[in-house]
Amino acid sequence: AQRVTQPEKLLSVFKGAPVELKCNYSYSGSPELFWYVQYSRQRLQLLLRHISRESIKGFTADLNKGETSFHLKKPFAQEEDSAMYYCALMDTGRRALTFGSGTRLQVQP
Amino acid sequence: DGGITQSPKYLFRKEGQNVTLSCEQNLNHDAMYWYRQDPGQGLRLIYYSQIVNDFQKGDIAEGYSVSREKKESFPLTVTSAQKNPTAFYLCASSINRDREKAFFGQGTRLTVV
Repeated sequence: AQRVTQPEKLLSVFKGAPVELKCNYSYSGSPELFWYVQYSRQRLQLLLRHISRESIKGFTADLNKGETSFHLKKPFAQEEDSAMYYCALMDTGRRALTFGSGTRLQVQP
Repeated sequence: DGGITQSPKYLFRKEGQNVTLSCEQNLNHDAMYWYRQDPGQGLRLIYYSQIVNDFQKGDIAEGYSVSREKKESFPLTVTSAQKNPTAFYLCASSINRDREKAFFGQGTRLTVV
């Protein structure tokens, strides 16, 4: 069965510091991975998807099939990055997302 | 104003009673989903529907039921058989050709006393 693991419940960094939110997955097929974000008092929303290899709000994530990881990175954190981040995997059979437990990012001034 | 609406925002029920959570979308999305969110566990899939009049069990369907009689509506009933119903419930929808981009509602917090 598919599984997404986010080992850190909370990550606290200072403004300007690099950020790496960890995500590991287990999936028997070819994985499709995503990062979702929930800012305070806002809805959960898609941040980025691995297939597009895009950078959104300065965040990037690279799929590493050898390490079964999809870590989210940003070189210089901003206070507005403070939010709850969820890594998600698309179950291609069900066409539904499986989410990790989430990591709260706190960026301190 | 297009979007996905869950109601009510907070719901209290006595133990042993069934309760129905509403989810409506006017985005013309084909697929709809229900997730349960508990502290430290992320979102777990309860039920999902890819098309009207069809739905499938997710990972934690026991004690829940759904219907999909209309494209825009996907209500979730939490039955008395659900052993631990107190939780935050999230509804989502997506179009078939872009299932990865799910649009979420604001959620309903159900408390069973």
